[in-house]
Amino acid sequence: ELKVEQNPLFLSMQEGKNYTIYCNYSTTSDRLYWYRQDPGKSLESLFVLLSNGAVKQEGRLMASLDTKARLSTLHITAAVHDLSATYFCAVEVNRDDKIIFGKGTRLHILP
Amino acid sequence: DAGITQSPRHKVTETGTPVTLRCHQTENHRYMYWYRQDPGHGLRLIHYSYGVKDTDKGEVSDGYSVSRSKTEDFLLTLESATSSQTSVYFCATSPLTYEQYFGPGTRLTVT
Repeated sequence: ELKVEQNPLFLSMQEGKNYTIYCNYSTTSDRLYWYRQDPGKSLESLFVLLSNGAVKQEGRLMASLDTKARLSTLHITAAVHDLSATYFCAVEVNRDDKIIFGKGTRLHILP
Repeated sequence: DAGITQSPRHKVTETGTPVTLRCHQTENHRYMYWYRQDPGHGLRLIHYSYGVKDTDKGEVSDGYSVSRSKTEDFLLTLESATSSQTSVYFCATSPLTYEQYFGPGTRLTVT
């Protein structure tokens, strides 16, 4: 059964700093997704990673996927307060239609 | 954004009563999903559908049933609600098993 682990689960950081959120998963998968959730809101899609070595960037966020290591990273560059949110990775089980989420990383960026 | 609505948005019910949550989409997406979100657990997949009348179990399906008689509607039923089913329920849709689009959520309280 697919397990998806994110770390850290909580991150408090200063504006202007860089940091990385990690997403590990336990079985073969070629598709990984990153979402953002603001408090009391629904989830918003950030990145769709569909192959080994895929890298996507949007503003101060960059996501990558290494399917051999079963690892995805979400890198934050020069953090700003507006990036404070909970970030989820989700992994699709190969040859299945299930999409399983990690527990989320709650990111708090201090001004 | 995909046109996804959930009803009701809030519900309080008593233990032992049946409850049905509705997810409605206007995008003609093939795949639909029900998740529950609880503190410390992230999102957990309850059931999903890969077509009309085609459904399958997710990670936490005990105590829940689903039905999909039309492409646009996916119903989640709690046959006999329990306090452990107090949660926020999110519906999601996807045209393929790629990026998911999430509904606004339903907050269910079982007393």
